[in-house]
Amino acid sequence: NAGVTQTPKFQVLKTGQSMTLQCAQDMNHEYMSWYRQDPGMGLRLIHYSVGAGITDQGEVPNGYNVSRSTTEDFPLRLLSAAPSQTSVYFCASSDPKGGANVLTFGAGSRLTVL
Amino acid sequence: TQLLEQSPQFLSIQEGENLTVYCNSSSVFSSLQWYRQEPGEGPVLLVTVVTGGEVKKLKRLTFQFGDARKDSSLHITAAQPGDTGLYLCAGARVRGGSQGNLIFGKGTKLSVKP
Repeated sequence: NAGVTQTPKFQVLKTGQSMTLQCAQDMNHEYMSWYRQDPGMGLRLIHYSVGAGITDQGEVPNGYNVSRSTTEDFPLRLLSAAPSQTSVYFCASSDPKGGANVLTFGAGSRLTVL
Repeated sequence: TQLLEQSPQFLSIQEGENLTVYCNSSSVFSSLQWYRQEPGEGPVLLVTVVTGGEVKKLKRLTFQFGDARKDSSLHITAAQPGDTGLYLCAGARVRGGSQGNLIFGKGTKLSVKP
């Protein structure tokens, strides 16, 4: 089982460039979310979705956009990259029927903004 | 505001020693989870605790949820080098949270030396 797949694994951008981090899950999970992980800061929620067509902001949404046109995919867009967005990004999914907010994470995408 | 305080942040011990990691908050959580993360990978769920006072065991790992559902601990008996990794606690808030929208502690980086 593939689980949660994130691409690319690594990316280097220049300030002001835009890009999309891809996330796909094959478990038919309704809930998907994006976190960023920075040293000493733990995981912080950027955006989340409770189903296709529904998205909401998390703790640190500024500079990021998301959309959820299908159950499987939840891309994260950086509109104009800034050095402060250098981080490791994790996509996660969960099944409300599974209960208790159990998250399945992807392997992460390491982004460096110069 | 960091809702989940995790301690210690770093822990370096010898193989065979015991250790305890703490996760504390002033907020009540409907459930609390512990994840383990290895370098270059996403967090992987170890356990979910739901009921106040609940104790769960996973081989040499013992997890406890506080009676008031505001805190949790992870105790490892006779640590082994394979236990090395980043341990994260994550709580689902009783109000204002939704599936997949967890609050994470900053993590405890454990190193077990042979």
